[in-house]
Amino acid sequence: TQLLEQSPQFLSIQEGENLTVYCNSSSVFSSLQWYRQEPGEGPVLLVTVVTGGEVKKLKRLTFQFGDARKDSSLHITAAQPGDTGLYLCAGSSAAGNKLTFGGGTRVLVKP
Amino acid sequence: KAGVTQTPRYLIKTRGQQVTLSCSPISGHRSVSWYQQTPGQGLQFLFEYFSETQRNKGNFPGRFSGRQFSNSRSEMNVSTLELGDSALYLCASSFTVATNEKLFFGSGTQLSVL
Repeated sequence: TQLLEQSPQFLSIQEGENLTVYCNSSSVFSSLQWYRQEPGEGPVLLVTVVTGGEVKKLKRLTFQFGDARKDSSLHITAAQPGDTGLYLCAGSSAAGNKLTFGGGTRVLVKP
Repeated sequence: KAGVTQTPRYLIKTRGQQVTLSCSPISGHRSVSWYQQTPGQGLQFLFEYFSETQRNKGNFPGRFSGRQFSNSRSEMNVSTLELGDSALYLCASSFTVATNEKLFFGSGTQLSVL
């Protein structure tokens, strides 16, 4: 069984601070996706990383896929209250939409 | 372009009853997958359909079933409801089932079993 562990489970920071969320597994994934979910809504895809060592930037968000494709991180620079939400990583190991999700990191950015 | 639509938004049932949830994918999308989200277990894959055929199934008991219609709309059914079935049920659609295809999630159906 493939598992994805996210850490920390909860982060509370002040506006303007930086934060990093980690997603780790003992299994290799063909790709890894990061989602953000807000209360009462479904997850929204932020990015997909495919190549080991890949780094992708989305404005103030930086995503990295580990060289061995077993782990990933999400770094937010100068967090804003609009970044508040549940961040989920999800791994894919085959074609299709069967994703293995991490437990999520709840981020609260206080103004 | 309308997003993924799930109905109903909220549902309250009692133990032993059965329930049917509906999902209308984005127009043109032929793949629909279902996930269960609970505070304890997080998001867990239920099943995936493409062109009316189930392609993948997660580790859920047979009480959980689904189907997809020729217009790509999908339904999932849970029979003999248990308290532990209380969860947010999310549907996601994509154009195909190719690797790394972008998934679009609906807002979910919040099921409470009393």
